[in-house]
Amino acid sequence: SAVISQKPSRDICQRGTSLTIQCQVDSQVTMMFWYRQQPGQSLTLIATANQGSEATYESGFVIDKFPISRPNLTFSTLTVSNMSPEDSSIYLCSVGRDSANYGYTFGSGTRLTVV
Amino acid sequence: AQSVTQLDSHVSVSEGTPVLLRCNYSSSYSPSLFWYVQHPNKGLQLLLKYTSAATLVKGINGFEAEFKKSETSFHLTKPSAHMSDAAEYFCVVSDLDTNAGKSTFGDGTTLTVKP
Repeated sequence: SAVISQKPSRDICQRGTSLTIQCQVDSQVTMMFWYRQQPGQSLTLIATANQGSEATYESGFVIDKFPISRPNLTFSTLTVSNMSPEDSSIYLCSVGRDSANYGYTFGSGTRLTVV
Repeated sequence: AQSVTQLDSHVSVSEGTPVLLRCNYSSSYSPSLFWYVQHPNKGLQLLLKYTSAATLVKGINGFEAEFKKSETSFHLTKPSAHMSDAAEYFCVVSDLDTNAGKSTFGDGTTLTVKP
């Protein structure tokens, strides 16, 4: 299956700062997805990142807080802006249906702690 | 619209006895359905995947699930539980429409295996 690499794997950040998470896929995909898993909870979709267009955000998530870039078909970044302790979560990326590896893999996740 | 309901937040079984984790879904189109497992402080691992082929899907580690359209269910089973099966399990639905693979996660079922 495809490899989805995420960086950093974990970080501890000060409130009020921003962190950019990178997701690299080893094959070209049209859609990439960003999810959040808050402590002890399930995964919630943050946004869909389509190469060449603005990301589409789910209800409760806004671009100012979670700006996303999708510069090419194998890479995306998610920024968590102006962080607060409530942003402490695991953030994961995955690939869309046009990938032969759809459903098989998620990124290993970025474990973010905001202090 | 798509949604998924995991009917049990916690399931406890004895080692060597059968496992049943229940999942009902709602989908406007023909769905893809997945079960993932997440061990403590680990990433998501795909157990099995249904995408309109055989209704009985066999996965890794002895797990299987049956897609029942009439009951809108996709329950996960295993004949004999092992201590290493203790983990969090997520049922996931994805409509085969233009959302290109956007997935909705259930709230998760915590499986405890008693010696």
